[in-house]
Amino acid sequence: GAVVSQHPSRVICKSGTSVKIECRSLDFQATTMFWYRQFPKQSLMLMATSNEGSKATYEQGVEKDKFLINHASLTLSTLTVTSAHPEDSSFYICSAREGTGNSPLHFGNGTRLTVT
Amino acid sequence: AQTVTQSQPEMSVQEAETVTLSCTYDTSESDYYLFWYKQPPSRQMILVIRQEAYKQQNATENRFSVNFQKAAKSFSLKISDSQLGDAAMYFCAYIGNTPLVFGKGTRLSVIA
Repeated sequence: GAVVSQHPSRVICKSGTSVKIECRSLDFQATTMFWYRQFPKQSLMLMATSNEGSKATYEQGVEKDKFLINHASLTLSTLTVTSAHPEDSSFYICSAREGTGNSPLHFGNGTRLTVT
Repeated sequence: AQTVTQSQPEMSVQEAETVTLSCTYDTSESDYYLFWYKQPPSRQMILVIRQEAYKQQNATENRFSVNFQKAAKSFSLKISDSQLGDAAMYFCAYIGNTPLVFGKGTRLSVIA
C-alpha cells in the first residue's frame, strides 16, 4: 500500500531556532499534501494544503511566515517552523493523497516537536 | 463549512463485545466521502473504513462496519468482537470539496 514517510519522528530544539520536517510519498506521486497539527488529546487541525509547484494554502489563523511550506517535487513536501517558541511544541503530521478527488489520505508517522 | 461531530469523548467495551461509535456531520454537498481513522498510542493515523456518499450499502471491513444514514447525516462505526488492540482514538472524517475535516475523536478503551 501507499506509504508516507515523515522525518524526523522527534526533534528537540532551542527557542529561536528553525526546524525542518520532511514528508515524502514513497511509492506514489502526490500533487497535494496536507500538514496537520495535533495538541495533546485533541483532534488534528489542518494547518495548510501544500500544492506541488505552487504556494501553499494556509488555514485561517496559521502564520505562513512562521510555518514555511515547500512542495518542490511530487514526492516531497517540507514544513519549516521558523524562530520556534515553546508554544510551537506539538505533534505535526503530514498526509498525502494518492490520486485525485476524494481518495483517502495516507499519513506519515508524525513529528513530535519540543522547543525548549 | 463542513463540520464533523463526535459526541462521545470516551467509550469503553468489554473484550469480545460490540461497541458503536457515533459521528454526525453537516454539509450541503451531495458528493463526499466519510472515513473512520484509528490513532493508537503510537500516534500513527490508520484508515479503518471508508464510505462513499453515493453508495447506499454500508461499508464493512472485517470486524468493522458502519451505519451510514445519509438523510440524517449520521455515520456510526460498529466494532464487533472487540480486541485489546482496538484500544485507540477514533476519528470520524469527512472530505468533499474541502480538505479532510476531522471530528474531535473518541477514545476507546477495551477491558480484558
